[in-house]
Amino acid sequence: EVQLVESGGGLVKPGGSLRLSCEASGFAFNSYSMNWVRQAPGKGLEWVASISSSYTYIFYVDSVRGRFTISRDNSNNSLFLQMNSLRVEDTAVYYCVRGITASSRVEFDYWGQGALVTVSS
Amino acid sequence: DIVLTQSPATLSLSPGERATLSCRASQSISTSLAWYQQKPGQAPRLLIYDTANRATGIPARFSGSGSGTDFTLTITSLEPEDFAVYYCQQRDNWPRTFGQGTKVEIK
Repeated sequence: EVQLVESGGGLVKPGGSLRLSCEASGFAFNSYSMNWVRQAPGKGLEWVASISSSYTYIFYVDSVRGRFTISRDNSNNSLFLQMNSLRVEDTAVYYCVRGITASSRVEFDYWGQGALVTVSS
Repeated sequence: DIVLTQSPATLSLSPGERATLSCRASQSISTSLAWYQQKPGQAPRLLIYDTANRATGIPARFSGSGSGTDFTLTITSLEPEDFAVYYCQQRDNWPRTFGQGTKVEIK
């Protein structure tokens, strides 16, 4: 069974930093791209960042580029999102989401339960 | 960036009725469109990928169609568990983008 479990969310002041983690299990983590998608309270979904299985590519949405860093540790089946210079508008539930593999182009097929990040003074 | 516009914003229907949800892209995305269902307090669930392919475990009452810029999600006969918010998403280009959502509510 595919499982994605996020951790590291919490309350942080504007300008602060937070690191989200996602522990993956039930699939060949090192074969899949991985993603972060967020959802502000009462709002829609926003893709944040993606990383390929072997760091071939990394993409960010414009609003977080230069402040957020996506990374992964394939030896420990883990995905990370380092968030610096946080803003009030970064307040959201952050989902860890599975991406594609060489043999399957189905994207965003499994989602974690989400980690709430609240940026407030 | 590719903008996805969903309509209507809210669809009020009764169980057993047919639901037709629309998603329009600001430029052609071929068939690179997915649909998700989200219930309150839950993570989104993939329903349809690449316009017309049902994800694992998705009932046959859900179907997708379209190409280019105009796409449709159809639920042939609404079950009580289908009342939720539905999002479309394109994977033709970076950044990946989502529509703003259509809420299917009980009439």
